[in-house]
Amino acid sequence: DAGVIQSPRHEVTEMGQEVTLRCKPISGHNSLFWYRQTMMRGLELLIYFNNNVPIDDSGMPEDRFSAKMPNASFSTLKIQPSEPRDSAVYFCASNPRTGADTGELFFGEGSRLTVL
Amino acid sequence: KQEVTQIPAALSVPEGENLVLNCSFTDSAIYNLQWFRQDPGKGLTSLLLIQSSQREQTSGRLNASLDKSSGRSTLYIAASQPGDSATYLCAVEYGNKLVFGAGTILRVKS
Repeated sequence: DAGVIQSPRHEVTEMGQEVTLRCKPISGHNSLFWYRQTMMRGLELLIYFNNNVPIDDSGMPEDRFSAKMPNASFSTLKIQPSEPRDSAVYFCASNPRTGADTGELFFGEGSRLTVL
Repeated sequence: KQEVTQIPAALSVPEGENLVLNCSFTDSAIYNLQWFRQDPGKGLTSLLLIQSSQREQTSGRLNASLDKSSGRSTLYIAASQPGDSATYLCAVEYGNKLVFGAGTILRVKS
């Protein structure tokens, strides 16, 4: 398996523009997580899905952020409008989640976003 | 509040040394604890996962221990190599949410 695939790897955009980040989880994994990593705040969970359904979005910073998972093999994280403080590395992760706990998590390589 | 703290923030050792990285957590009602490795510009790679009922896990030169009662975990790396240089993150699971520490930046000098 190719692992968790994220695109784009790098994005530079101007303030106010819409940004869409994409993720393809590992086939067969039924949980998907979006994290954001910054120097100041470290890794923060934004939202996670189980069987394509959003379970906890309490980490989404504000209404400018939205995430969807239309099917088991694809998810998007959208920021509209983007602001400079959104600059960070956004990671997608998935896991098979066979029990009540999350279990081992598999991360993508991340999408580095810079908002000018 | 569920917090995870890692000490030290950075560590530099000569090749061949054994070393210990520390992780502490404030809430002992955990499901499991994971240690990850992150190379510059890359994602996180899971190294070891310890279930709440376990006390340790081993993989090659790595050994992770868990003491829930004291809220601590250690990652022991034996015979360190330059290829071990990376950031090591501890993550504690509460329910279905992983809380990450800030990481320890490890540099192994050849």
